[in-house]
Amino acid sequence: EVQLVESGGGFVKPGGSLRLSCAASGFTFTNAWMSWVRQGPGKGLEWVGRIISKTDGGTADYAAPVKGRFTISRDDSKNTLYLQMNSLKTEDTAVYYCATDEFDYWGQGTLVTVSS
Amino acid sequence: DVVMTQSPLSLPVTLGQPASISCRSSQSLVYSDGNTYLNWLHQRPGQSPRRLIYKVSNRDSGVPDRFSGSGSGTDFTLKISRVEAEDVGVYYCMQGSHWRTFGQGTKVEIK
Repeated sequence: EVQLVESGGGFVKPGGSLRLSCAASGFTFTNAWMSWVRQGPGKGLEWVGRIISKTDGGTADYAAPVKGRFTISRDDSKNTLYLQMNSLKTEDTAVYYCATDEFDYWGQGTLVTVSS
Repeated sequence: DVVMTQSPLSLPVTLGQPASISCRSSQSLVYSDGNTYLNWLHQRPGQSPRRLIYKVSNRDSGVPDRFSGSGSGTDFTLKISRVEAEDVGVYYCMQGSHWRTFGQGTKVEIK
């Protein structure tokens, strides 16, 4: 059974940092392209960024609102995806989901609240 | 950036009746490999999204056959042949041909 389990969410002040993790199981994580998607309170889904498999180059791409502040990485030895979030803004408040990049599997989400 | 525009944004439906959601992209979603990466997702309140349809018209495993997707280029449609109570929630189209973009979502509720 495929499982994606996010962790690391919490409360942080504007300008602060937070690192989210997504533990994957039930599929070959090494070959998977993975995305982060967020959903602000009462809002729709917003793509944050994606990392491709190391076999395909291992590079990450980002949506404009987070480019330069967020970094996606992966540790294939731990089957874990990461989202490092720096210089956080109040508008980054959202539930953050990890998902396979085909969006056929999603985690349960972790809430990030940025507030003073 | 590719903009995905859904209509309507709110859709009250009667149980047993059909429903249809439109999704339009600001540019063609035909990718260089010839595929069109247009998905439909469903999100129930308090739950994670679930993919229903991929590459325009392919139903995911376990998705009832009352759901169907169609379209090409820039215009796409999700149809529910007979709405059931479990179909309430928000439906999103999303494209994966030019990075990734989601539509605004269409909230389906029972009249």
